[in-house]
Amino acid sequence: EVQLLESGGGLVQPGGSLRLSCAASGFTFNNYAMSWVRQAPGKGLEWVSAISGSGGTTYYADSVKGRFTISRDDSKNTLYLQMNSLRAEDTALYYCARDRHIVVVTAICFDFWGQGTLVTVSS
Amino acid sequence: QSVLTQPPSASGTPGQRVTISCSGSSSNIGSNTVNWYQQLPGTAPKLLIYSNNQRPSGAPDRFSGSKSGTSASLAISGLQSEDEADYYCAAWDDSLNGVVFGGGTKLTVL
Repeated sequence: EVQLLESGGGLVQPGGSLRLSCAASGFTFNNYAMSWVRQAPGKGLEWVSAISGSGGTTYYADSVKGRFTISRDDSKNTLYLQMNSLRAEDTALYYCARDRHIVVVTAICFDFWGQGTLVTVSS
Repeated sequence: QSVLTQPPSASGTPGQRVTISCSGSSSNIGSNTVNWYQQLPGTAPKLLIYSNNQRPSGAPDRFSGSKSGTSASLAISGLQSEDEADYYCAAWDDSLNGVVFGGGTKLTVL
């Protein structure tokens, strides 16, 4: 059974940093590209970042480019999101999602999602 | 303001057929495939339709997707109370070099 378990969320002050983790199980982790998708309270879904199965290619939404870094450790079956220079508008539930493909392609499609970890940026 | 445009709400009675639209542009829907996600209240999104009109294993055949030009649609036939949820369309955008979502449509079963 595919499982994605996010952790690392919490309350952080504006300008602070946080690292999210997503522990994957039930599938061969390095065979799949992965993404982070967030949802602000009461709002819609926003894609944040994607990384290929090899980890060699990464993509970012303009809203987080230069502040967030996606990475993966295939030996630990874990996906990460390092978030720096956090802003109030980064407050959201952050989901880890598996892509059906090994590389990030234009047919990108999220077939499994975690339950999310909440990040609150506030003073 | 979302790159893909969906109606904020839709409704229908049990047994009815409901359609949700998703409008984009040549850089997203016009050149790439569309996926649809269902988000039941208080839960994570779930893949409902991929590659415009394909259902993943487990998705009821009451759900169908289509695409024409720069627009896509999700149709739900034989509406059931458990279909009450938020529905999102999504596609890759070649100009933004990333995934774009619609703003979501809240479906109410009357």
